[in-house]
Amino acid sequence: GAVVSQHPSRVICKSGTSVKIECRSLDFQATTMFWYRQFPKQSLMLMATSNEGSKATYEQGVEKDKFLINHASLTLSTLTVTSAHPEDSSFYICSGVAGGPHEQFFGPGTRLTVL
Amino acid sequence: GENVEQHPSTLSVQEGDSAVIKCTYSDSASNYFPWYKQELGKRPQLIIDIRSNVGEKKDQRIAVTLNKTAKHFSLHITETQPEDSAVYFCAASPYGGSQGNLIFGKGTKLSVKP
Repeated sequence: GAVVSQHPSRVICKSGTSVKIECRSLDFQATTMFWYRQFPKQSLMLMATSNEGSKATYEQGVEKDKFLINHASLTLSTLTVTSAHPEDSSFYICSGVAGGPHEQFFGPGTRLTVL
Repeated sequence: GENVEQHPSTLSVQEGDSAVIKCTYSDSASNYFPWYKQELGKRPQLIIDIRSNVGEKKDQRIAVTLNKTAKHFSLHITETQPEDSAVYFCAASPYGGSQGNLIFGKGTKLSVKP
């Protein structure tokens, strides 16, 4: 299957700082990428849909000014958590769509811990 | 919007037994239903999927059935092995899949006892 990478895999930051997470499709072009958040022992919650060259579409309840998403190329999308707080600590996972409109390939996730 | 319910939340079986996980969805326009396996701290891995024009699909020990009328689909794992232990998520693609996004169930933690 198609390969998606994420960087960094783990990040620890102080409250109030910003953190950028990169999601790359390594062997395919992803016109659409998705960002999910997963709290411990919970399901994946879709945060936003990112389309190359256009503004991201955010799910209800997700602050677009706090979670900045940029999809500047067909192989890279970034999520920036601005002014991070402890409640933002979570596992952030991206996915990319290759080929058909359905099949998603997930990145390995980024564990964010905000102190 | 689409809502996906998944049951049970936890499932414990003896090695060699079968395991069944069930999901229901609310949006009749959904037409793509994947199942993912997620081990602790790792990415979800697609294990099987089914589209709405098919009622059943099988891949070795794993099978998925879909009942469009009742809006439910199920994952069946036969001859379970300890390495099947993980959290399994069902998902549905709403809007007929035109937007590609998936709505996930809450997950089932499967434990296979040797």
